[in-house]
Amino acid sequence: GAGVSQTPSNKVTEKGKYVELRCDPISGHTALYWYRQSLGQGPEFLIYFQGTGAADDSGLPNDRFFAVRPEGSVSTLKIQRTERGDSAVYLCASSLVGGSTYNEQFFGPGTRLTVL
Amino acid sequence: GQQVMQIPQYQHVQEGEDFTTYCNSSTTLSNIQWYKQRPGGHPVFLIQLVKSGEVKKQKRLTFQFGEAKKNSSLHITATQTTDVGTYFCAGNYGQNFVFGPGTRLSVLP
Repeated sequence: GAGVSQTPSNKVTEKGKYVELRCDPISGHTALYWYRQSLGQGPEFLIYFQGTGAADDSGLPNDRFFAVRPEGSVSTLKIQRTERGDSAVYLCASSLVGGSTYNEQFFGPGTRLTVL
Repeated sequence: GQQVMQIPQYQHVQEGEDFTTYCNSSTTLSNIQWYKQRPGGHPVFLIQLVKSGEVKKQKRLTFQFGEAKKNSSLHITATQTTDVGTYFCAGNYGQNFVFGPGTRLSVLP
């Protein structure tokens, strides 16, 4: 069966530009998470969706970052006015359910974002 | 805020030796998950622990959750070269997850 997919796999942009990163979760998974991972570090939580709504967006670093999941499936992470410090691998994960129940997360391959 | 620490940062072992990584949370967890990430890959789920004092085994891997639900450990018996990678714990505080910085394991044949 299909796993979590993310597009693009690599994105190179210039400082100040706008980027969109897409995540296709496993079909039927209601919970979706976005993380970013810098080299040699653990994934850093950004936002958690339960269905269409953002249940927890406390990890978004500032208002340049925004994410949507309009139909409760595909999600898009949007970054405005990119900065060099935004360079990282952006990981998406989905799980059957969210919250504090049993919720094994399945990670996608990530999008490597490089801001020049 | 919620913080998850892991030690050691790196561990180099000879094949056949045992390996342990420790995870500590600043506050009580709802549950804890463990993931393995191979170089160049993405995190892969290993296990979830929910109950205080819980111990789970998967072949050569033993996972423990502390009585206070603030710490956890992963122990690998008789490491193999296929165990190479970074092991992360992820603390669940009800909604979000906080990942530790990971322990990078290298196994010398």
